[in-house]
Amino acid sequence: EDQVTQSPEALRLQEGESSSLNCSYTVSGLRGLFWYRQDPGKGPEFLFTLYSAGEEKEKERLKATLTKKESFLHITAPKPEDSATYLCAVQGLDSNYQLIWGAGTKLIIKP
Amino acid sequence: GAVVSQHPSWVICKSGTSVKIECRSLDFQATTMFWYRQFPKQSLMLMATSNEGSKATYEQGVEKDKFLINHASLTLSTLTVTSAHPEDSSFYICSAGGLGGGINEQFFGPGTRLTVL
Repeated sequence: EDQVTQSPEALRLQEGESSSLNCSYTVSGLRGLFWYRQDPGKGPEFLFTLYSAGEEKEKERLKATLTKKESFLHITAPKPEDSATYLCAVQGLDSNYQLIWGAGTKLIIKP
Repeated sequence: GAVVSQHPSWVICKSGTSVKIECRSLDFQATTMFWYRQFPKQSLMLMATSNEGSKATYEQGVEKDKFLINHASLTLSTLTVTSAHPEDSSFYICSAGGLGGGINEQFFGPGTRLTVL
């Protein structure tokens, strides 16, 4: 069964304190792994798509990496505005573009 | 690019009434649209997948007669919550995907907060 597990559930960091969020997955044939950011009361905002092990993508203070079993979202020198829930999802090769979602990691950056 | 809008952004209605939520892709054509609901502090729960011009595919446990989905064009999908009750109060979010050309991402609307009194 396709499954996505994110850890930790919540993470509190001081401004400037770098860390990583984890997304472990099992899927029968990966089309893509996606990272989204969701602010309270809003729809998810697309961040990255990763397609194959070894791939990395960066955007400002965020860097996403992918292995055959997990993905990491590295946050370097975070700022309070990076506070949000970060969602990971996978898409299988035989899906109708449907996504299997993790429960998310709530990130809080304290000034 | 890849902007999705939803209307209304919030709605309050009386129990027993029906509510329609619109989802539009503004700058692209989406062959597939998805409807989710999200309860507080929980992740997204897929309700149904709709392809333009065909009937929606509902997830297990989602009542198709209660949550009517119409995907009449490549830029518009609607979700109608019929005979709404307080337990239907939730945050409803649509997304558009299946853009083709190697674009596999889903792009989300801002969501609609439904409160049923």
